[in-house]
Amino acid sequence: AQKVTQAQTEISVVEKEDVTLDCVYETRDTTYYLFWYKQPPSGELVFLIRRNSFDEQNEISGRYSWNFQKSTSSFNFTITASQVVDSAVYFCALSAPYNFNKFYFGSGTKLNVKP
Amino acid sequence: DVKVTQSSRYLVKRTGEKVFLECVQDMDHENMFWYRQDPGLGLRLIYFSYDVKMKEKGDIPEGYSVSREKKERFSLILESASTNQTSMYLCASIDRGNDQPQHFGDGTRLSIL
Repeated sequence: AQKVTQAQTEISVVEKEDVTLDCVYETRDTTYYLFWYKQPPSGELVFLIRRNSFDEQNEISGRYSWNFQKSTSSFNFTITASQVVDSAVYFCALSAPYNFNKFYFGSGTKLNVKP
Repeated sequence: DVKVTQSSRYLVKRTGEKVFLECVQDMDHENMFWYRQDPGLGLRLIYFSYDVKMKEKGDIPEGYSVSREKKERFSLILESASTNQTSMYLCASIDRGNDQPQHFGDGTRLSIL
């Protein structure tokens, strides 16, 4: 069975603090894909990053970085020097490539960045 | 850029009404999905479609049906709306590739009174 757990329901930080959002997944597939999405208050889901199960290299994009560790089934997301505009709900998702591209989403982490 | 358009951002309906939520994508994607989003529960899959006239139940299909008569359009139908169907509804589409992200519409906030 596929499952994604985001244990942090809500996190509050002050601007310029670093913050890490946790994501733990379960799957029996050897080939799978992991994603992070951002949902700002306006409601639309914005795709941030995709990772496949064969690529454990960490990735950095500006203030965002992602740490993928198969040994712990985790795909954590760090925002460095957070800004108010980072306030949103963040979702981690797991894709089942052999099952109609169905996505399995975590319950989301709401990030509040205060000025 | 992929565009997924949901017909309404906000919708208010009454209990017992038949409600239609429409979703259109412009990138010729094969697969389309309907989710509902509730606080603390994340996105839950209601139905999805992998081709015209083809549909599959997701995790919470009860009280809903879908229609896909054309490739670009995927409709969610609440047969007899109830107050527990008040929620945010999100439509998504995806190209039939293994590593692609799903592309989402802006969502419809549906209130059933």
